[in-house]
Amino acid sequence: SYVLTQPPSVSVAPGQTARITCGGNNIGSKSVHWYQQKPGQAPVLVVYDDSDRPSGIPERFSGSNSGNTATLTISRVEAGDEADYYCQVWDSSSDQGVFGGGTKLTVL
Amino acid sequence: QVQLQESGPGLVKPSQTLSLTCTVSGGSISSGSYYWSWIRQPAGKGLEWIGRIYTSGSTNYNPSLKSRVTISVDTSKNQFSLKLSSVTAADTAVYYCARLQADRFDPWGQGTLVTVSS
Repeated sequence: SYVLTQPPSVSVAPGQTARITCGGNNIGSKSVHWYQQKPGQAPVLVVYDDSDRPSGIPERFSGSNSGNTATLTISRVEAGDEADYYCQVWDSSSDQGVFGGGTKLTVL
Repeated sequence: QVQLQESGPGLVKPSQTLSLTCTVSGGSISSGSYYWSWIRQPAGKGLEWIGRIYTSGSTNYNPSLKSRVTISVDTSKNQFSLKLSSVTAADTAVYYCARLQADRFDPWGQGTLVTVSS
């Protein structure tokens, strides 16, 4: 089955830029979606189809996808961005949803 | 906007069947070309996709759970349900329902904790 690999943790100072990667075999050929999950809450979609934002998500959240790596970029990081972030694709070959292992973003 | 709410027992005995229902409000479960999904998350761990159902009744399941999972839909009640049989402690998790829009999950229910213990 398809595997997505994320770093367990990323740390960034407030006001700086955080980049969270999601690796997968030829992931650039798939649509990648990103979710933010704060403690005790359900995940929330923050980026879909590699780089689109749902309504209500700040422009500070952006995404890219090429080759074997997709990236979620959070600009001008705020304390409120501290959360777990998950990437997700649909594996059409096996017709199943696949999540990365998640990355804990810590705002220093 | 569409909202989802999980319901069901919070405690299930080992070897028994876990049963949960997701109620959709703010829209008809039959409108649009959406699938409806179940996802779970053990404490401190990542997200695991369980399966999906279309309002026609067509389903797909995670191969690792397929032998134990049944997802069904009741369009008259605007609900879909999850049954997971022969549960063990490894099935203890927060269970989420979500709408599958194209191939992304949005929105999600708030989640419900199910503990497997005697």
